[in-house]
Amino acid sequence: DAGVIQSPRHEVTEMGQEVTLRCKPISGHNSLFWYRQTMMRGLELLIYFNNNVPIDDSGMPEDRFSAKMPNASFSTLKIQPSEPRDSAVYFCASSRGTEAFFGQGTRLTVV
Amino acid sequence: AQTVTQSQPEMSVQEAETVTLSCTYDTSESDYYLFWYKQPPSRQMILVIRQEAYKQQNATENRFSVNFQKAAKSFSLKISDSQLGDAAMYFCAYRSVTFGGSNYKLTFGKGTLLTVNP
Repeated sequence: DAGVIQSPRHEVTEMGQEVTLRCKPISGHNSLFWYRQTMMRGLELLIYFNNNVPIDDSGMPEDRFSAKMPNASFSTLKIQPSEPRDSAVYFCASSRGTEAFFGQGTRLTVV
Repeated sequence: AQTVTQSQPEMSVQEAETVTLSCTYDTSESDYYLFWYKQPPSRQMILVIRQEAYKQQNATENRFSVNFQKAAKSFSLKISDSQLGDAAMYFCAYRSVTFGGSNYKLTFGKGTLLTVNP
């Protein structure tokens, strides 16, 4: 299995632009998580899905952030409009049981 | 809500020596999972070892072992015969057994940066 695949690996965008991060979970996994990693706040859960349904989005910072999972093999995290404070590494992880497997992350820089 | 604390922001060890990374957590649950993840400079999050709270026996994976003290809510990671490739950020994480609401998420500590000196 190829593992969790995230794209792009790096994204640099200007403040105010829309940013879309993509994730393909491991086949057969029914839970998907989006995490954000910053030096100040560490790893924070933004949202997680179970069987494509959002279960907990209490970590989504504000309305500028939205996430979708239209099917079992694809999820997106969108930021519109982006701000410099959104600069971070965004991880997607998937799970079908105890362990969660992470993608390589997307480093987002908003200038 | 569960919290995970790693009190050592940085640690260093000589190659071939043993090092122990500390982790404490707070929970009111009786059953849960604990994990150690490794994040090398490539930033990939790699699962190192896991422990089920109902198991009294400490988990071991090759050179990696844990000291799980349930009553003390302590979960330390011991790395034996340290290698240069062990240099990374190490994160302790907690996960509830019970699915539902926000309990199913992984709650992470702030991490410990391990340096391995040749």
